[in-house]
Amino acid sequence: SAVISQKPSRDICQRGTSLTIQCQVDSQVTMMFWYRQQPGQSLTLIATANQGSEATYESGFVIDKFPISRPNLTFSTLTVSNMSPEDSSIYLCSVEVMGTEAFFGQGTRLTVV
Amino acid sequence: DAKTTQPTSMDCAEGRAANLPCNHSTISGNEYVYWYRQIHSQGPQYIIHGLKNNETNEMASLIITEDRKSSTLILPHATLRDTAVYYCIGQGAQKLVFGQGTRLTINP
Repeated sequence: SAVISQKPSRDICQRGTSLTIQCQVDSQVTMMFWYRQQPGQSLTLIATANQGSEATYESGFVIDKFPISRPNLTFSTLTVSNMSPEDSSIYLCSVEVMGTEAFFGQGTRLTVV
Repeated sequence: DAKTTQPTSMDCAEGRAANLPCNHSTISGNEYVYWYRQIHSQGPQYIIHGLKNNETNEMASLIITEDRKSSTLILPHATLRDTAVYYCIGQGAQKLVFGQGTRLTINP
């Protein structure tokens, strides 16, 4: 199993600013995933973060808006840049262990005003 | 990843078995069927997965049809704490692609 800690758990930010979300895992993992969950919606994958290489972004998401760092096998950050109210969502970090089940953090609830 | 279709919502009485269906008619031979659930304000939680055979664990049972075009998640004795959104996912690559899921409400 894996225990994932996300920080912050929630934040209220001014439009035009940026927020960096941290994801810490209690074991080494190869791939980490970042998801967005807009109000009342399902989860949408933003990008896959591999240690030592550029993140792979899904269609509709770009590095300039959501830069990701993956400095080691237990940690990753997602930055939401130049925020607008449309970025208000829950952002979740996920890892997959042993090629089977995925584990998720509790999410970061972001409100942009 | 296979496209999955689930009912938008379902209700079940507490103590009864909850049977959640999922259609995945485009699933390929090497794609597993995964089930996750998301309780309000929490991250998704893994429930069970299978390829061809039926599977059972401490949380649920998974029944996959012989043609693998559909499956059913069974919660044998539903409790109020099982109220959640349940996601069925056909997964080949490591990333998970979530559909809209089924909002299951367990009623007292």
